[in-house]
Amino acid sequence: QEQLQQSGPGLVKPSQTLSLTCAISGDSVSSNRASWNWIRQSPSRGLEWLGRTYYRSKWYYDYTPSVSSRITIDADTSKNQFSLQLNSVTPEDTAVYYCARSGHIEETYDYWGQGTLVTVSS
Amino acid sequence: EILMTQSPATLSVSPGERATLSCRASQSVTSKLAWYQQKPGQAPRLLIYGASTRTTGIPARFSGSGSGTEFTLTISSLQSEDFAVYYCQQYNNWPRTFGQGTKVEIK
Repeated sequence: QEQLQQSGPGLVKPSQTLSLTCAISGDSVSSNRASWNWIRQSPSRGLEWLGRTYYRSKWYYDYTPSVSSRITIDADTSKNQFSLQLNSVTPEDTAVYYCARSGHIEETYDYWGQGTLVTVSS
Repeated sequence: EILMTQSPATLSVSPGERATLSCRASQSVTSKLAWYQQKPGQAPRLLIYGASTRTTGIPARFSGSGSGTEFTLTISSLQSEDFAVYYCQQYNNWPRTFGQGTKVEIK
């Protein structure tokens, strides 16, 4: 049974970097079928897809334009996990952050992490 | 970026009644439309993909229809566990986008 387990701090200071990790069980971050995504949810922005990484003989990365200059998603094959880094955060980045898998049921998100509330505040 | 608009924002329904939720895309997404259910404190749960196909384990009282820009999620007879927020999401274009949600509450 696939599971995604998120970890990372719940409080980040403005201008600093938000870092979260998503550990995968029951699947592989190097899967040739899956993509590994980060999605956030806030009252003001709703559900917002941030980006993804996936492996198809090499690693690929896609990011949403609104955060593309500040975001990095990376995969760690030795730990079977992937991560999110969001630089130069502001209070507008306060949200619940989710990791999620896509690619097994068309391009929908079929497995999600438990969510991490990240508050940007000094 | 495709804008997904859901209506109504809140739907008050009595248990056993039918609920009809709408989702409109700002441009065609063909049939690449999914519906998710979210309960408080939980991640969204995939209900329907391809506009009308239920995922494994989703009861038959949930049905989806539509294509292009107009989509509908129908819950034929609401059960207590169905009171939640429902989101549509398009996966025809990048970036993937979600609607703002419809809250189905007990009348």
